[in-house]
Amino acid sequence: AQSVTQPDIHITVSEGASLELRCNYSYGATPYLFWYVQSPGQGLQLLLKYFSGDTLVQGIKGFEAEFKRSQSSFNLRKPSVHWSDAAEYVCAVGPPEGTYKYIFGTGTRLKVLA
Amino acid sequence: NAGVTQTPKFQVLKTGQSMTLQCAQDMNHNSMYWYRQDPGMGLRLIYYSASEGTTDKGEVPNGYNVSRLNKREFSLRLESAAPSQTSVYFCASSGMVSNQPQHFGDGTRLSIL
Repeated sequence: AQSVTQPDIHITVSEGASLELRCNYSYGATPYLFWYVQSPGQGLQLLLKYFSGDTLVQGIKGFEAEFKRSQSSFNLRKPSVHWSDAAEYVCAVGPPEGTYKYIFGTGTRLKVLA
Repeated sequence: NAGVTQTPKFQVLKTGQSMTLQCAQDMNHNSMYWYRQDPGMGLRLIYYSASEGTTDKGEVPNGYNVSRLNKREFSLRLESAAPSQTSVYFCASSGMVSNQPQHFGDGTRLSIL
């Protein structure tokens, strides 16, 4: 069955440090992949998406993600974290062909130290 | 601004009471979804509507009903609220193809006493 795993429940980094959030998926075909950010009291906002082509995708707020088929991973990165990046980050896979059900990871909560 | 609008934002109910959560989108999307979000469990699909006039059960439909009123609106009803339904509820919408991301509302924080 299709699944998305985010191994890290919480991550703490210092402001200005680099960031990498992990996402692994299990999927039978080439997946459509998404990263969302959720600030407290808000809904999920799309950061970036991967459909095909270049495996390094750029998103909003300085984030990027790299699709690695051999590792079934779609890790989110940012070179220098800002205090305002503290939030919940959720990885998702688009619906398998013929269905409408997106598959979400359980999220990684990012804390940023000043 | 275009997007998904949910009402109310907060609600406290007593066990056994009923209520309807409202959701409307203005992006001309065909598909709409209701999720609940609980700590440590991520988003769980309650119901979805692939297109106007159709609805289907998700992972956790028990205790809920939905209505796709028209292309814009998709409501979620709790007929007899239970404490286990205390959660944050999100409505989302998307285009019909698999590579379209979902757009989310800001959520309804529901507490059942």
